[in-house]
Amino acid sequence: NFMLTQPHSVSGSPGKTIVISCTRSSGSIASNYVQWFQQRPGSSPTSVIYDDDRRPSGIPDRFSGSIDSSSNSASLTISGLKAEDEADYYCQSYHNANWVFGGGTKLTVL
Amino acid sequence: QVTLRESGPALVKPKQTLTLSCTFSGFSLKTNAMCVAWIRQPPGKALEWLARIDWDDDTFYNISLRTRLTISKDTSKNQVVLIMSDMDPVDTATYYCVRGIYGTSWFLDSWGQGALVTVSS
Repeated sequence: NFMLTQPHSVSGSPGKTIVISCTRSSGSIASNYVQWFQQRPGSSPTSVIYDDDRRPSGIPDRFSGSIDSSSNSASLTISGLKAEDEADYYCQSYHNANWVFGGGTKLTVL
Repeated sequence: QVTLRESGPALVKPKQTLTLSCTFSGFSLKTNAMCVAWIRQPPGKALEWLARIDWDDDTFYNISLRTRLTISKDTSKNQVVLIMSDMDPVDTATYYCVRGIYGTSWFLDSWGQGALVTVSS
């Protein structure tokens, strides 16, 4: 099985742009789609990106996703940071029928 | 409007078997390309996928936990049940049931509020 590695924490000031990475340990990141979830304190996760770069309905275009085969990683970019973006973020992908989550990244809005 | 609600015991003893129910509304598990999955989260830790059942009755399990898990569905009751045997304190977690919709991959679009299960004697 493979692992997805995320930075433990990232931070940014309101209005700025942050990037959260998600590196796949084995197998190609491009082989299986990546989904990203936001989890605010005390709440259930919600999807903010699926199929690498698609936004669910209601998610602002400040959120974007991408993959980079050269680093075998996916990235979640949040631009125009807002206080409400402060949360934990998890990437998720799969191989065959096995779903794998990253360890999560805590985003602090300074 | 899609809703999912987890129910089950808040406290189980080590070695006991946990039975969790997910009662959902707003969709049918008889519909093509739908699934319900269970995902758990120990306090302060990351999400972990446990099991999934598809509209066509196919079931899939986390490789490392598959010997302890059974997932089933009752479409007439709009319910999915997860059974986890031989519970241990490390299984203390919030257990979520989640709806998935398959397009080009599984889009996990709706989550229940979660059920906190504590394993302790």
